[in-house]
Amino acid sequence: EVQLVESGGGLVQPGGTLRLSCAASGITFSNYWMSWVRQAPGKGLEWVANIKQDGSEKYYVDSVKGRFTISRDNAKNSLYLEMNSLRVEDTAVYYCVNGGWWFDYWGQGTLVTVSS
Amino acid sequence: AIRITQSPSSLSASTGDRVTITCRASQGISSYLAWYQQKAGKAPKLLIYAASTLQSGVPSRFSGSGSGTDFTLTINCLQSEDFATYYCQQYYSYPRTFGQGTKVEIK
Repeated sequence: EVQLVESGGGLVQPGGTLRLSCAASGITFSNYWMSWVRQAPGKGLEWVANIKQDGSEKYYVDSVKGRFTISRDNAKNSLYLEMNSLRVEDTAVYYCVNGGWWFDYWGQGTLVTVSS
Repeated sequence: AIRITQSPSSLSASTGDRVTITCRASQGISSYLAWYQQKAGKAPKLLIYAASTLQSGVPSRFSGSGSGTDFTLTINCLQSEDFATYYCQQYYSYPRTFGQGTKVEIK
């Protein structure tokens, strides 16, 4: 059974920093592109970033470029999202997702709230 | 960025009905389109990719069609567990983009 378990969400002030983690099991993690997708409260889905199997390619939505960094550690079967200069509009549930094109498996999500 | 216009934004239907949801891309995306189902408080679930390929384990009452700019998700014989919000998503180019969602409610 594929499991993607996110952690690291919480309440942070505007301008602050947060690091999300995702632990993967049930898949050969190093074989797959991985992505982060977010969903603001009561809103639709927004793709945030993805990363190639070996970390050599990374892509971001324009609204987070220069502020967020996606990374992975294949030895630890883990995906990360470093979020800097957080804004109120970054408030959302962040999902760790298997895939770089369509998204096969999703974690349960971790809530990030940016508020003063 | 490719814009995906999904319609309708919501619909009311009864169990046993046939339901159709459409997505229109702002430019041609070949067959690079996926469909997801999301129930309240849960993560989305992949239903269909490559416009018409059913994900393993998804009931055959779900089907997808289309290519280029116009796509359709059809649910035949709607079941109680199908009441949810549905999203389409293009993966033809970056950024990956989603439709705004269609909420399927009980009539």
